[in-house]
Amino acid sequence: GAGVSQSPRYKVAKRGQDVALRCDPISGHVSLFWYQQALGQGPEFLTYFQNEAQLDKSGLPSDRFFAERPEGSVSTLKIQRTQQEDSAVYLCASSLDWQSPLHFGNGTRLTVT
Amino acid sequence: DAKTTQPNSMESNEEEPVHLPCNHSTISGTDYIHWYRQLPSQGPEYVIHGLTSNVNNRMASLAIAEDRKSSTLILHRATLRDAAVYYCILVTGANSKLTFGKGITLSVRP
Repeated sequence: GAGVSQSPRYKVAKRGQDVALRCDPISGHVSLFWYQQALGQGPEFLTYFQNEAQLDKSGLPSDRFFAERPEGSVSTLKIQRTQQEDSAVYLCASSLDWQSPLHFGNGTRLTVT
Repeated sequence: DAKTTQPNSMESNEEEPVHLPCNHSTISGTDYIHWYRQLPSQGPEYVIHGLTSNVNNRMASLAIAEDRKSSTLILHRATLRDAAVYYCILVTGANSKLTFGKGITLSVRP
């Protein structure tokens, strides 16, 4: 079956531009997570949704980062006025419920020049 | 969140068993031990998890110490495709939030 799909796979943005990263979770999965992974590091938690409700956004690094999941399925992570330090791989994961393992997408590699 | 400690790297030979250790001395009674792995240019992939008893699945086995302060992920016959970063993570609470460390990089020699 289809896994978690993320688009675009690669994104190059000039410093100061806004970007939007899309995540299509596995159908029926209630939980959705966004992670940020810098080169050579493990993924770091950004935010968590249960259906359409954003229950935890403690990992968002600044108010330039915004995530939404308006209908409880597809999610978008938006970064406004991108900075060079935002360059990273952004990973999306979904799970059936709180007890189930996470299924990750292959990420969007964002490069800010 | 309780933390885990893993070696930075390990090497193994193809078709031999691999034992990847993890220390979690501050584990609490409700923490589950999860293992994920991340192949190059891919997102992390769930491998196995357990609470107290040893666990087996088609990918690996998880051996948990009696005091739960350490665990070992066992790959019974390493293949070149098992070369990856393996993360040992303690999971607690109601939302399966994962806190990744740096993991252990496994290299497999042909």
